[in-house]
Amino acid sequence: ETGVTQTPRHLVMGMTNKKSLKCEQHLGHNAMYWYKQSAKKPLELMFVYSLEERVENNSVPSRFSPECPNSSHLFLHLHTLQPEDSALYLCASSPREEGDYNEQFFGPGTRLTVL
Amino acid sequence: GQNIDQPTEMTATEGAIVQINCTYQTSGFNGLFWYQQHAGEAPTFLSYNVLDGLEEKGRFSSFLSRSKGYSYLLLKELQMKDSASYLCAVTDSNYQLIWGAGTKLIIKP
Repeated sequence: ETGVTQTPRHLVMGMTNKKSLKCEQHLGHNAMYWYKQSAKKPLELMFVYSLEERVENNSVPSRFSPECPNSSHLFLHLHTLQPEDSALYLCASSPREEGDYNEQFFGPGTRLTVL
Repeated sequence: GQNIDQPTEMTATEGAIVQINCTYQTSGFNGLFWYQQHAGEAPTFLSYNVLDGLEEKGRFSSFLSRSKGYSYLLLKELQMKDSASYLCAVTDSNYQLIWGAGTKLIIKP
């Protein structure tokens, strides 16, 4: 496979469930991102990992927990979510180099519905 | 605060030309991106501007004026497949991308 892949593509969960979203990139990039996309709102950056180290955490509730075991894989662990967390969750990767314009490549997203 | 403004929705006719505007107020500037996102799909890169002027790439062109905090995406010879959302994003002084809410473009026959 090439590019950025995400699984699952669709997820329905109850508020007491625990689930994980997976992202994998085959582009040799060293930075990975989690975004939340809600209808008619800007993309919300949730987490950034650079060289497997978390470099950005934009005041995201603790019910979202990221994990980056290596530069190719990124997870988002979910537990006790709320209905307002229903959204499209996008993973992206980029070559993160100072002075580079770091074009981001996106995965297809996971459509999450919290009941 | 940091802010990106673009119209929520636009409608155009197949074969015509449409211009989607984006204005920004950010802490620093290190480039502006345009992405295309079809419904239910990932955003895909269209263009990047860091210097003032027009960048042309086939039917799509992107313009930047840093002094005015302004960019536009110009789409020519519109096709039905151009129906999508167009996202404007600016890289700030920390090289973080600040995103607009996107402009939904509807193409009519």
